Amino acid sequence: GEDVEQSLFLSVREGDSSVINCTYTDSSSTYLYWYKQEPGAGLQLLTYIFSNMDMKQDQRLTVLLNKKDKHLSLRIADTQTGDSAIYFCAGSYIPTFGRGTSLIVHP
Amino acid sequence: DTGVSQDPRHKITKRGQNVTFRCDPISEHNRLYWYRQTLGQGPEFLTYFQNEAQLEKSRLLSDRFSAERPKGSFSTLEIQRTEQGDSAMYLCASSLVGIDTQYFGPGTRLTVL
Repeated sequence: GEDVEQSLFLSVREGDSSVINCTYTDSSSTYLYWYKQEPGAGLQLLTYIFSNMDMKQDQRLTVLLNKKDKHLSLRIADTQTGDSAIYFCAGSYIPTFGRGTSLIVHP
Repeated sequence: DTGVSQDPRHKITKRGQNVTFRCDPISEHNRLYWYRQTLGQGPEFLTYFQNEAQLEKSRLLSDRFSAERPKGSFSTLEIQRTEQGDSAMYLCASSLVGIDTQYFGPGTRLTVL
């Protein structure tokens, strides 16, 4: 498994971009994932990036991977109130999850 | 709905009772995982199966916990002699060997009184 660190909270205004950052220790994962968790629900797979890629864009979501620094980020463009949730990054196989980043979107 | 399903969604029990949860994975997925998530924390790995074989167990999985996947399809997680510290969300996920993208179910919320 790997250790994962994320900021606990991020607050943005509706319509702004959000950037959620993640640092990890184990670089052996083939894929790196972003999951979203709403209150009382399971984890929803948002997007993923193959470990030999630097960037992946998926509609409003942009994932950036810096393997040298072991840093992964998720950018959400035009953030909406429905994006308010906890976001987790994770590696593949048996991931270790951090505490996640709680995104709060203000109208 | 062809996603991962879990039953029940909520369970309230008294300390000392036994509880059993069920997980039905996505039908073609051969790997199945159990996690536990307490309030304010991320999911913690408990165990996983490949087909019917239980391949890995976390040290978190005390001897009061047992998981089965007898026919390589659905799985059950049993907790014997529940304690208040067992109160948590129990999450199940499934994936395909070689792809490893895990899809999670909605979870079972356990409250031990």
